[in-house]
Amino acid sequence: DGGITQSPKYLFRKEGQNVTLSCEQNLNHDAMYWYRQDPGQGLRLIYYSQIVNDFQKGDIAEGYSVSREKKESFPLTVTSAQKNPTAFYLCASSKRETNTGELFFGEGSRLTVL
Amino acid sequence: KNQVEQSPQSLIILEGKNCTLQCNYTVSPFSNLRWYKQDTGRGPVSLTIMTFSENTKSNGRYTATLDADTKQSSLHITASQLSDSASYICVVSALGAGSYQLTFGKGTKLSVIP
Repeated sequence: DGGITQSPKYLFRKEGQNVTLSCEQNLNHDAMYWYRQDPGQGLRLIYYSQIVNDFQKGDIAEGYSVSREKKESFPLTVTSAQKNPTAFYLCASSKRETNTGELFFGEGSRLTVL
Repeated sequence: KNQVEQSPQSLIILEGKNCTLQCNYTVSPFSNLRWYKQDTGRGPVSLTIMTFSENTKSNGRYTATLDADTKQSSLHITASQLSDSASYICVVSALGAGSYQLTFGKGTKLSVIP
């Protein structure tokens, strides 16, 4: 079945450590996104990529980095520069040319800073 | 500034009862509105999409309405089931905008109790 796979599901980090969240899709979608979800807030866009080897900052990119070396993969690194990294992170993908708002989401990764 | 407001913030209903969730938006020019269901700890899944010309659309026990004049949408759930317990997120797209420019509501958390 086609879909988006995020890993790990749960991740714990000590302050000062970088962590990388994995996102893989087999939907043959060109566009991929990373969102952050906090309690009581709407989803906020961290980074997005519309094509391989290209990505753009979203609304809250500070303290995060991404890469898009393959169409299927869009990993997110949460760096030590991110002041409040504890959150639920969602990866999504869509067809590049669509504006129907249909995003296909992964199951999410919950990051907790100890 | 484009905004999406959802109400109520949370709702508790008895199994078998009906309920209606509200979404008001200021996104302009309007392209479409999508309702997502997000189970706790999971990624959102699309329920339905409403375009400018559509007033009502059903998906099983879920019925979405759209009033483009007043910029309001509702999601009506009929004969609720325990599995309907989730957060419901309203997402609006502007005409000409990319899928990385969606406006998310904060969601309504629905709890269905036996």
